[in-house]
Amino acid sequence: SQQGEEDPQALSIQEGENATMNCSYKTSINNLQWYRQNSGRGLVHLILIRSNEREKHSGRLRVTLDTSKKSSSLLITASRAADTASYFCGTSYDKVIFGPGTSLSVIP
Amino acid sequence: NAGVTQTPKFRVLKTGQSMTLLCAQDMNHEYMYWYRQDPGMGLRLIHYSVGEGTTAKGEVPDGYNVSRLKKQNFLLGLESAAPSQTSVYFCASTDLGDNEQFFGPGTRLTVL
Repeated sequence: SQQGEEDPQALSIQEGENATMNCSYKTSINNLQWYRQNSGRGLVHLILIRSNEREKHSGRLRVTLDTSKKSSSLLITASRAADTASYFCGTSYDKVIFGPGTSLSVIP
Repeated sequence: NAGVTQTPKFRVLKTGQSMTLLCAQDMNHEYMYWYRQDPGMGLRLIHYSVGEGTTAKGEVPDGYNVSRLKKQNFLLGLESAAPSQTSVYFCASTDLGDNEQFFGPGTRLTVL
């Protein structure tokens, strides 16, 4: 399966700290996407990184992709309480397959 | 633009009953998807469509049927609901198969 697998499953940090989540996958991909899900809501797209890219930034988000290790990381800098959510990576070849997610709690 | 909408938001069924979930998008997207989300399982793809009149099976298609008669609508049907189908169902759409997906707010279904 090309399914991504996020690590850790749960993460709790203090407001202002950085949060790092990792995603590993098994097969070739066109791109890898990160999404956020607030409790009781649908997923919201955060950032897409293509297989020929190594790093991408968007505001306080930094995503890296290492296709040789089949892994990606999502870094959220200077976290806020509003960043509390579940984060999912989606690996894409002809369709997007999601991992089980990382639950992030940011404590004010 | 409303984006992706889903109806109903909540539903309780008895085992053996049938129902249809409706997904509508106003972004003229070709691709539409139905996922189910269970605790600790992430999202699993049930069925998807790459254009009007087409449908294809995803990871967990058993017990579900779909139809895409109009480009903007994607219907998910449960012919004979089972307790194992208790879940939150999400619809999503995108312009290209591996691009950013836009999600609806979800339908919470309970089968007793």
